[in-house]
Amino acid sequence: AQKVTQAQTEISVVEKEDVTLDCVYETRDTTYYLFWYKQPPSGELVFLIRRNSFDEQNEISGRYSWNFQKSTSSFNFTITASQVVDSAVYFCALSEPNFGNEKLTFGTGTRLTIIP
Amino acid sequence: EPEVTQTPSHQVTQMGQEVILRCVPISNHLYFYWYRQILGQKVEFLVSFYNNEISEKSEIFDDQFSVERPDGSNFTLKIRSTKLEDSAMYFCASTSDTVNTEAFFGQGTRLTVV
Repeated sequence: AQKVTQAQTEISVVEKEDVTLDCVYETRDTTYYLFWYKQPPSGELVFLIRRNSFDEQNEISGRYSWNFQKSTSSFNFTITASQVVDSAVYFCALSEPNFGNEKLTFGTGTRLTIIP
Repeated sequence: EPEVTQTPSHQVTQMGQEVILRCVPISNHLYFYWYRQILGQKVEFLVSFYNNEISEKSEIFDDQFSVERPDGSNFTLKIRSTKLEDSAMYFCASTSDTVNTEAFFGQGTRLTVV
């Protein structure tokens, strides 16, 4: 069975600090996809990244970067030079796609607060 | 940019009443999903739908719930007799059948059962 663990329930950092959100997953499949979503106070789910299990290259997008390590089943997310607008709940998720059916299993989320 | 649209954004209903939550998925997508998020908790999968039938459902999706694609554009979630614990944010999502795509989520419907 799939499982996603986000051990950090809440994190607070001062603006401009770097912050890393941890995500550990469990799956029996060799093909799977990992995701990060942002949920701002307005409630919608904002897609950030999708990474397949065969691509272990780290990714950087502006101030965001992701570190995928299969050896430790982790897919951590780092925000560099944090800003107040980064305050949100961040969810890590996993899917084991089956002919296009991409049911997502979410972690419990990490509430990130950026203090001005 | 194409998007998934959900209506209404907020619905208040009395316990025991039936509610229908509506979604318009992205037009060329073939898989449709409903997820639920109880306030302050994680997002949980309810059901996936493909080719006019349920392809997978979770334990949460009991006989009180049903889904339908009544026409070529809408995708609905019906709760027959709402309970207080059905109060949650309900998200609709859709995916195409290609390999390299992510689920596109609607903005959610906040259901409050009183």
